[in-house]
Amino acid sequence: EVQLVESGGNLVKPGGSLRLSCAASGFTFSNAWMTWVRQAPGKGLEWVGRIKSRTEGATADYGAPVKGRFTISRDDSRNTVYLQMNSLQIEDTALYYCTLGLCIASKCHYDDAFDFWGQGTVVTVSS
Amino acid sequence: QSALTQPASVSGSPGQSITISCTGTSSDIGTYNYVSWYQQHPGKAPKLMTYEVSNRPSGVSNRFSGSKSGNTASLTISGLQAEDEADYYCSSYTGRNTLVVFGGGTKLTVL
Repeated sequence: EVQLVESGGNLVKPGGSLRLSCAASGFTFSNAWMTWVRQAPGKGLEWVGRIKSRTEGATADYGAPVKGRFTISRDDSRNTVYLQMNSLQIEDTALYYCTLGLCIASKCHYDDAFDFWGQGTVVTVSS
Repeated sequence: QSALTQPASVSGSPGQSITISCTGTSSDIGTYNYVSWYQQHPGKAPKLMTYEVSNRPSGVSNRFSGSKSGNTASLTISGLQAEDEADYYCSSYTGRNTLVVFGGGTKLTVL
């Protein structure tokens, strides 16, 4: 059974930093591309970014609002993906989800169909 | 303002059918058949309902169906049930720096 468990959310002041973690189990983590999606209170979903597998360079892509401030990394030995958030702004206040794309037959929809979600971790940016 | 446009709310009676629209541009929905729909109940994580426009993951009821025409995608729910009451979000792959865009969400009320 796939499990994604986020942690690290907290209250932080504007301009501060925070690192979120997502511990994964139930699938071959090293092959998977992992995505972060966030949801501001009472608002819709927003794609934050995605990291590819190590065999594909472990490169990451980011949404425009967070590019240059957030960094996604992974530790395959710990089956964990991280979201380092710097220069946090009030607008970054949200529930942050770790997600995994749907894999069916021999095709994985890492960038377009998020089949597994964690329970989320709350980040509050406030002075 | 979300990249994809959805109506804020729709409603229907049990047994009826409803359709939720999702309008994008020629750079996302109009180009790619990578449109997905998600259902989210209050306090819960989103659930994938359809992908690649019209495919359903295993376990999703065939009462949920997706389609696309031009820059607009749609989710139709037939035989409405009380448990269908939730927020629904569409998404599309874009191939640009922001790889995935979501709609603002539609609140479905089952009367």
